[in-house]
Amino acid sequence: GAVVSQHPSWVICKSGTSVKIECRSLDFQATTMFWYRQFPKQSLMLMATSNEGSKATYEQGVEKDKFLINHASLTLSTLTVTSAHPEDSSFYICSATGGRTEAFFGQGTRLTVV
Amino acid sequence: KNEVEQSPQNLTAQEGEFITINCSYSVGISALHWLQQHPGGGIVSLFMLSSGKKKHGRLIATINIQEKHSSLHITASHPRDSAVYICAVGYGNKLVFGAGTILRVKS
Repeated sequence: GAVVSQHPSWVICKSGTSVKIECRSLDFQATTMFWYRQFPKQSLMLMATSNEGSKATYEQGVEKDKFLINHASLTLSTLTVTSAHPEDSSFYICSATGGRTEAFFGQGTRLTVV
Repeated sequence: KNEVEQSPQNLTAQEGEFITINCSYSVGISALHWLQQHPGGGIVSLFMLSSGKKKHGRLIATINIQEKHSSLHITASHPRDSAVYICAVGYGNKLVFGAGTILRVKS
């Protein structure tokens, strides 16, 4: 099946710094990418939807200035957590679709802000 | 808004047992996904189905569109099947996720 690569798989950063997470579709063109956040023992929460070449659509309650999403090409989307705080510590995961209904998921990134 | 209900929330089984996880949703969908999430966090897509039944190895997924219900079955369960199983329904271009079923298979 199609492969979505997410990097890094884990990252520890200091409060106030920014962290960039990459999501790449390796063998298909991802017209739409989704970014999710998962709190411990909870299901995935959609943060934003990004389409290649256009601005991301953020879900209610998600700060777009804090979680910057860029989908500059059909194979790459990035999520940047700006001025990270300990409450941003979470598991972030992306998924990508190539226009069909099937979604492919990245491996996820565990962010710890200290 | 589509609501996705999964049951059971937790399931402990003995190795070799037949396992069923259920998923119900409230409005029409484009497709239903069964996902597996291991303790490390990575998610693997097991099935995507919009009608009928699919089988892959020891895993079987069924969906009844009229009843808005899907089941995931695991035959001859094994400890390596221990994971969180998540049902997600697609409508529009988005997925709505169930809360997940935590499965533990004991040897």
